[in-house]
Amino acid sequence: DVKVTQSSRYLVKRTGEKVFLECVQDMDHENMFWYRQDPGLGLRLIYFSYDVKMKEKGDIPEGYSVSREKKERFSLILESASTNQTSMYLCASSLVSKNTEAFFGQGTRLTVV
Amino acid sequence: AQSVAQPEDQVNVAEGNPLTVKCTYSVSGNPYLFWYVQYPNRGLQFLLKYITGDNLVKGSYGFEAEFNKSQTSFHLKKPSALVSDSALYFCAVRVSNFGNEKLTFGTGTRLTIIP
Repeated sequence: DVKVTQSSRYLVKRTGEKVFLECVQDMDHENMFWYRQDPGLGLRLIYFSYDVKMKEKGDIPEGYSVSREKKERFSLILESASTNQTSMYLCASSLVSKNTEAFFGQGTRLTVV
Repeated sequence: AQSVAQPEDQVNVAEGNPLTVKCTYSVSGNPYLFWYVQYPNRGLQFLLKYITGDNLVKGSYGFEAEFNKSQTSFHLKKPSALVSDSALYFCAVRVSNFGNEKLTFGTGTRLTIIP
């Protein structure tokens, strides 16, 4: 089975801190994604990567950056955390073929105080 | 731009009754459509997908979905609901044209099965 693992289930950070969310997949998928999930808004794409060192902005990239130095690992970085970034963050991976489904991690619930 | 609409935030169904969770989409090009389910404090689990071919798609846990091109819909269905089906359901779309990897989700529908 495909496994997508996010490093933390719950995080509490202070305003202004630099925050790293890590995601690792074990199925050699080319694509990796970061979404945030908020009630009533569904899942919104922050960034995605289709190869090592390659990235594309999603719908809401402001305040975030990403890093993909190895194929299996995709990191989301909050440069200076703010309270409006309190949310559930979901990582996903998929093959490059568009007719294949994406596989999701268990999510990281981030609270910024 | 591609988009997905799930018109119902909440659907309540009695156990044993058939259920439908609605989804409509808007894309330029041929759509690939997906349904996912999310249980509390968990990530999303894949249920089923439509790529091409038969408009009725069968998936996990007895769920099925019907692709209707003229109505641009992809409703999720199950003939007999179980209490364990209670969860948050998301519809998603991706277009088939080269270069667009984006998977766009709807806002989700909370399904509650009443014993």
